[in-house]
Amino acid sequence: QEQLQESGPGLVKPSETLSLTCSLSGGSMSFYYWSWVRQAPGKGLEWIGFTYFSGRTNYSPSLKSRVNISVDTSKNQFFLTLKSVTAADTAVYFCARQWMVQGGFDIWGQGTPVIVSS
Amino acid sequence: QSALSQPASVSGSPGQSITISCTGSNSDIGVYDYVSWYQYSPGRAPKLLFSDVINRSSGVSLRMSASKSGNTASLTISDLQPEDESDYYCASYRVGDTVVFGGGTKLTVL
Repeated sequence: QEQLQESGPGLVKPSETLSLTCSLSGGSMSFYYWSWVRQAPGKGLEWIGFTYFSGRTNYSPSLKSRVNISVDTSKNQFFLTLKSVTAADTAVYFCARQWMVQGGFDIWGQGTPVIVSS
Repeated sequence: QSALSQPASVSGSPGQSITISCTGSNSDIGVYDYVSWYQYSPGRAPKLLFSDVINRSSGVSLRMSASKSGNTASLTISDLQPEDESDYYCASYRVGDTVVFGGGTKLTVL
């Protein structure tokens, strides 16, 4: 049974860089798309971007200038970095899997809360 | 990018049916049959209910169904049960090889 688990600092200072890791257990990253999704307090889910197992990426237009998503298939992990964070980036961050970018997100992590505050 | 539009809340009594709408545009729902639906309770991982508009995920109640017409997708839950109370989100593939979610709908079972 594949499982995803997010990890990373729960507190980030304004203007700094948020870095999170998503670890896959019980499966392979090959031939899947791996995304980050977040939910700010009181708001809906927001897609951040994806990486294909090959390293191809794409990002939400609203976050594209600040986001990077990368993958290390040898470690069964993929990563999110978000630069120049503000309070608006405070959210629960989820990682999730798609079998194709057009498809549904069939496996999700439990989510990790990140607070942006000095 | 603007989110898909969902009602903030819907409610119904046990045994009734409810429908949650999800309205997009000619950049997403209107041109692609790639709508998915999720059940989400804070503190838990979202659960995929439907993909590709109508494909029900394994284990999802047959009381749930999904459809699409034009720029609007819909999730219908019949014979409403207390355990259906949750938040529901739609998502769609969008031009530019991106994904967009709806704002979410809180379902209350009265």
